[in-house]
Amino acid sequence: GAGVSQSPSNKVTEKGKDVELRCDPISGHTALYWYRQSLGQGLEFLIYFQGNSAPDKSGLPSDRFSAERTGGSVSTLTIQRTQQEDSAVYLCASSPSGLGNTIYFGEGSWLTVV
Amino acid sequence: AQSVTQLGSHVSVSEGALVLLRCNYSSSVPPYLFWYVQYPNQGLQLLLKYTTGATLVKGINGFEAEFKKSETSFHLTKPSAHMSDAAEYFCAVSVIYNQGGKLIFGQGTELSVKP
Repeated sequence: GAGVSQSPSNKVTEKGKDVELRCDPISGHTALYWYRQSLGQGLEFLIYFQGNSAPDKSGLPSDRFSAERTGGSVSTLTIQRTQQEDSAVYLCASSPSGLGNTIYFGEGSWLTVV
Repeated sequence: AQSVTQLGSHVSVSEGALVLLRCNYSSSVPPYLFWYVQYPNQGLQLLLKYTTGATLVKGINGFEAEFKKSETSFHLTKPSAHMSDAAEYFCAVSVIYNQGGKLIFGQGTELSVKP
């Protein structure tokens, strides 16, 4: 596609429910990233994929968070047993492999846990 | 470890005035540096980046930034602010590993432009 596509754009869920956020990266981009943007917290790195493997999961805040990528393309971020503090905008980004390449961001998925 | 500090969470300028957004980085290796802009309810858009070569980098919308190794800075400037420049600006350094690099962001600077 022309850009990084994320869905849903907005999601309201009840505390304790599971949610899945989807990311469709730019075609041909081997690197994929998930970031979280919360009010007052800036942009927080969550996880990085190179192809289908995730060499860096260091930013996942707890074991309720997981992510996978299949076919070197689409990625899904899953949050289990959501809590109110999970409310944030979840941004996906992708880039070609290689040093210094631009990382392109999607518009984000706004998650509200009530 | 790489890190980024943006001085000033809010900057306000008058339309037509100089815009200066400050960014200092910490890196043990030559850094790759980026400025992104985020308009309300939108994703992040690349303004400009420094990888190697010329230290004065020009970006979109009339913005430019200068990499100063001796000062570990990468400040963003624009000679004349426009109302449409009101947005949040993020400086980032690339952590290079595993055939690619992830971005470490500063806390962001919200730019307001007064008529």
